[in-house]
Amino acid sequence: AQKITQTQPGMFVQEKEAVTLDCTYDTSDQSYGLFWYKQPSSGEMIFLIYQGSYDEQNATEGRYSLNFQKARKSANLVISASQLGDSAMYFCAMRDWNTGNQFYFGTGTSLTVIP
Amino acid sequence: GAVVSQHPSRVICKSGTSVKIECRSLDFQATTMFWYRQFPKQSLMLMATSNEGSKATYEQGVEKDKFLINHASLTLSTLTVTSAHPEDSSFYICSAENPQRGAVSSYNEQFFGPGTRLTVL
Repeated sequence: AQKITQTQPGMFVQEKEAVTLDCTYDTSDQSYGLFWYKQPSSGEMIFLIYQGSYDEQNATEGRYSLNFQKARKSANLVISASQLGDSAMYFCAMRDWNTGNQFYFGTGTSLTVIP
Repeated sequence: GAVVSQHPSRVICKSGTSVKIECRSLDFQATTMFWYRQFPKQSLMLMATSNEGSKATYEQGVEKDKFLINHASLTLSTLTVTSAHPEDSSFYICSAENPQRGAVSSYNEQFFGPGTRLTVL
């Protein structure tokens, strides 16, 4: 069963605008972590932001924020003030204790920032 | 921050040959490393979990005799693709856990290597 779902294969955003990338997850565990990674065309995975299942406040890291809605099992990434360098693939991932602490990745969203 | 390197970054080989990919944690000791495979425009798929000093744990559907994993030290894990065929062409990424960095809540922080692009002719 798919644990992470990203329903947007591709997204476009105007430079300097904000964009939301969707992510929903599936787990029966109470303790888990949600991650967002950026993968530019060069291939490396760049960690962006983390949200723990017990964290009451939404995580923020600079221009990145995570809209965590636990009851809906969603962890959307919000990028504010988009920049041309934000164009990349974005992956949502989850780790939970039931799966032996390994990552499950979504299928990714390709973001293109338009000048 | 913690750095994970992979070597080579790109390799082209003939069908039937074996290819070894190295994953190194440069400034920390990693008891656990993970190997992923990523096909073009697809997600990362976990192949195996590599633990130092013990046998790797392979995900369902991954042939352990074809993808040999050796985690001989706390800073090095190797993935050997034996008798490679064109369908093995893919982007292989490793990651390493740093048990000393608990910055990400209760989870050991995981650092990814830059990946190795394998092309089998």
